[in-house]
Amino acid sequence: GAGVSQTPSNKVTEKGKYVELRCDPISGHTALYWYRQSLGQGPEFLIYFQGTGAADDSGLPNDRFFAVRPEGSVSTLKIQRTERGDSAVYLCASSSMQADTQYFGPGTRLTVL
Amino acid sequence: KQEVTQIPAALSVPEGENLVLNCSFTDSAIYNLQWFRQDPGKGLTSLLLIQSSQREQTSGRLNASLDKSSGRSTLYIAASQPGDSATYLCAVNPTSGTYKYIFGTGTRLKVLA
Repeated sequence: GAGVSQTPSNKVTEKGKYVELRCDPISGHTALYWYRQSLGQGPEFLIYFQGTGAADDSGLPNDRFFAVRPEGSVSTLKIQRTERGDSAVYLCASSSMQADTQYFGPGTRLTVL
Repeated sequence: KQEVTQIPAALSVPEGENLVLNCSFTDSAIYNLQWFRQDPGKGLTSLLLIQSSQREQTSGRLNASLDKSSGRSTLYIAASQPGDSATYLCAVNPTSGTYKYIFGTGTRLKVLA
């Protein structure tokens, strides 16, 4: 596609539920990144994929968060047992190479009630 | 630990004014610095990328400068327009050429018609 797309654009869930957030990177981009942006803050790095593998997951806050990219294109961020503090906008970005310009998607706004 | 600060947090100016947004970072050893624009409900759009060896970059009415030794960057917007209203984010890429952008909290700009 022309840019990075993310679905859904909005997700409302109840505390304790499981959610999946999807990211479609720019075609041909091997690097993919997830960030989380809380209200009034800048985005914070969560995880970086190079191809199919998670090269760096040091930003994931705890083991309730997990991300996959099985075919080196689409990625899914999975959050188990959601908590109210998980409410944020989850941004995905892709780039053609590590340390190259990152192109961001519109984000998924997650609200945990 | 690298920290990025943006001042002011919010700014409101009449149309036509020239304005300066400030970004400061605590560790001068950076690989590059990037300015982004974020519109409500949308992702980040890259405006200007300055490599650590560069002093400034220009694109249209935008000019970004970098003073690595003092840990500062400025984004200059000439002849502001209502369409410039958005949040402007500064992000630093650490010196190892990695991918973990470290973002400031942004400056929320409103240009009044």
